[in-house]
Amino acid sequence: GENVEQHPSTLSVQEGDSAVIKCTYSDSASNYFPWYKQELGKGPQLIIDIRSNVGEKKDQRIAVTLNKTAKHFSLHITETQPEDSAVYFCAASMNTDKLIFGTGTRLQVFP
Amino acid sequence: DVKVTQSSRYLVKRTGEKVFLECVQDMDHENMFWYRQDPGLGLRLIYFSYDVKMKEKGDIPEGYSVSREKKERFSLILESASTNQTSMYLCASSKPTGNTEAFFGQGTRLTVV
Repeated sequence: GENVEQHPSTLSVQEGDSAVIKCTYSDSASNYFPWYKQELGKGPQLIIDIRSNVGEKKDQRIAVTLNKTAKHFSLHITETQPEDSAVYFCAASMNTDKLIFGTGTRLQVFP
Repeated sequence: DVKVTQSSRYLVKRTGEKVFLECVQDMDHENMFWYRQDPGLGLRLIYFSYDVKMKEKGDIPEGYSVSREKKERFSLILESASTNQTSMYLCASSKPTGNTEAFFGQGTRLTVV
């Protein structure tokens, strides 16, 4: 079955710097790649997603890139702010209702 | 505002007890999920339900069962709680359209002593 690896497990950046989180997936049939943000005391919430027919997608300060050949995708956050501090999860899906999640990245943004 | 609501934020139970975790969604979603979240292991799927009274095992179903008697409600049952089931449990729901957003509850932190 599908396996998703996520790196790094923790990431600390200064406010205003950029943050990058990377994920790799094993099954080339996967075609949907969402990213979820989990703030302290809350459940994960979708922040951006990308489908396999697109190489890059941007929404204000966040962007996701997909390299189907290498089977990896990345989340980019620019001009980080303290409120970006959270745990981020990548996931992959193959036209099913089930998501396979990565192991999570704890991002800390220091003022 | 769409919602997935889990009945408890924190729960402490004794080893051997039967434990019920309840989840309710108000979005009329067919799909409902129970995940377990542990540090370094991410979100692991315990059980999935795609319709009332229908269920499918996830990646770690051992020691758990589920019940879906009504569309809006999905219960996770620990038949005989053990200390290795101490964890954060997350419920989610989604439409049955594939490759679609999952909406999560706030989580239940269960401690088994």
